[in-house]
Amino acid sequence: SAVISQKPSRDICQRGTSLTIQCQVDSQVTMMFWYRQQPGQSLTLIATANQGSEATYESGFVIDKFPISRPNLTFSTLTVSNMSPEDSSIYLCSVVGVGDSYEQYFGPGTRLTVT
Amino acid sequence: RKEVEQDPGPFNVPEGATVAFNCTYSNSASQSFFWYRQDCRKEPKLLMSVYSSGNEDGRFTAQLNRASQYISLLIRDSKLSDSATYLCVVNPNYSSGSARQLTFGSGTQLTVLP
Repeated sequence: SAVISQKPSRDICQRGTSLTIQCQVDSQVTMMFWYRQQPGQSLTLIATANQGSEATYESGFVIDKFPISRPNLTFSTLTVSNMSPEDSSIYLCSVVGVGDSYEQYFGPGTRLTVT
Repeated sequence: RKEVEQDPGPFNVPEGATVAFNCTYSNSASQSFFWYRQDCRKEPKLLMSVYSSGNEDGRFTAQLNRASQYISLLIRDSKLSDSATYLCVVNPNYSSGSARQLTFGSGTQLTVLP
């Protein structure tokens, strides 16, 4: 498996501001993803972070709201823009492709509260 | 119909009990299947992958029935530390390039009581 770290681990932000979440993996991985888990809910895929190109967004998520970068095979950022209380959630980075495995591993998550 | 459906739970069982969780999936083309566990306020962690007719890992047994589009997880001799939410996860394509279709069930909460 991979060691995945996220920063910050939690934050409380004001409505209308933006927050950038960082995800760092200790080894090169094939794919990186960003998920959201709202209180009491299961995980929803936001987008696939593509190295060197624009992220691939799932239905209901757009680049203007959730810009994503992936400059290399070990690092990605997710920005939650122009936040509203509805964005309060846990945001999780996930990776696939550690070695020859197709199994998926998750970072510890960033707990975001928007006031 | 949800793409992945799980027993609603919660399951409250005594220590030492055997408990089984069920999961059904709607996409018959699904190729890979997993069980994750998620502790309160923690990230999901891969418990086990489920391949072909199923597999066993210690006290945990996962089974797959492709004809019925059904996956199960059996936990024997439950421990207090097994208390968590168990997520059934389905990927319709084994290739890592299709991970966008990875679908999570809503989870089943298990509490093992002393």
